[in-house]
Amino acid sequence: LAKTTQPISMDSYEGQEVNITCSHNNIATNDYITWYQQFPSQGPRFIIQGYKTKVTNEVASLFIPADRKSSTLSLPRVSLSDTAVYYCLVGDLPAGGFKTIFGAGTRLFVKA
Amino acid sequence: DAGITQSPRHKVTETGTPVTLRCHQTENHRYMYWYRQDPGHGLRLIHYSYGVKDTDKGEVSDGYSVSRSKTEDFLLTLESATSSQTSVYFCAISESRDRGSIATNEKLFFGSGTQLSVL
Repeated sequence: LAKTTQPISMDSYEGQEVNITCSHNNIATNDYITWYQQFPSQGPRFIIQGYKTKVTNEVASLFIPADRKSSTLSLPRVSLSDTAVYYCLVGDLPAGGFKTIFGAGTRLFVKA
Repeated sequence: DAGITQSPRHKVTETGTPVTLRCHQTENHRYMYWYRQDPGHGLRLIHYSYGVKDTDKGEVSDGYSVSRSKTEDFLLTLESATSSQTSVYFCAISESRDRGSIATNEKLFFGSGTQLSVL
């Protein structure tokens, strides 16, 4: 199972772009990279998912280099409401049984 | 939001008592999961289910059992609660899909959580 490493916390200001990098050196061929966002007293919420290169949706972008040993979540022009914990997950599901490993995540603080 | 309901939302119990948490989904998804979340540990998988009566252990399964008699319900039981099981418990679901394409993969949808305190 691929383990992930993320910064414990990050600070930013409103309107800035935030990039959170996740390391996953042991990523397997079938593994996808998925990011979740969690607000206090709520369950995590899916943000974005990718396999290789770049993925963009209405919320974020995900950059994955060719070796796939890391990935970067990019949040454009953050606002105070983006203050949350962000989790990077690497895994292959459901494929006959799936075990996810959530790390401690990255706490993002967005300041006014 | 995905139709996932956890009950109860909050529970206080005493050491040694049995506790059952319920997760109910209206999405007809095949896979269901129980996680616990503790400070400094993120979310850790307790058990998961890949179909009715089909379950398997996660990384922190000791002291917990699960049952899934219907697609929509996944129960987590603490046979004899201990203080170390004080935590926030999250249920999640995901949909089964043909693995023919690598363009997309499954997403986890989480419930709102159950705060359990064992005194």
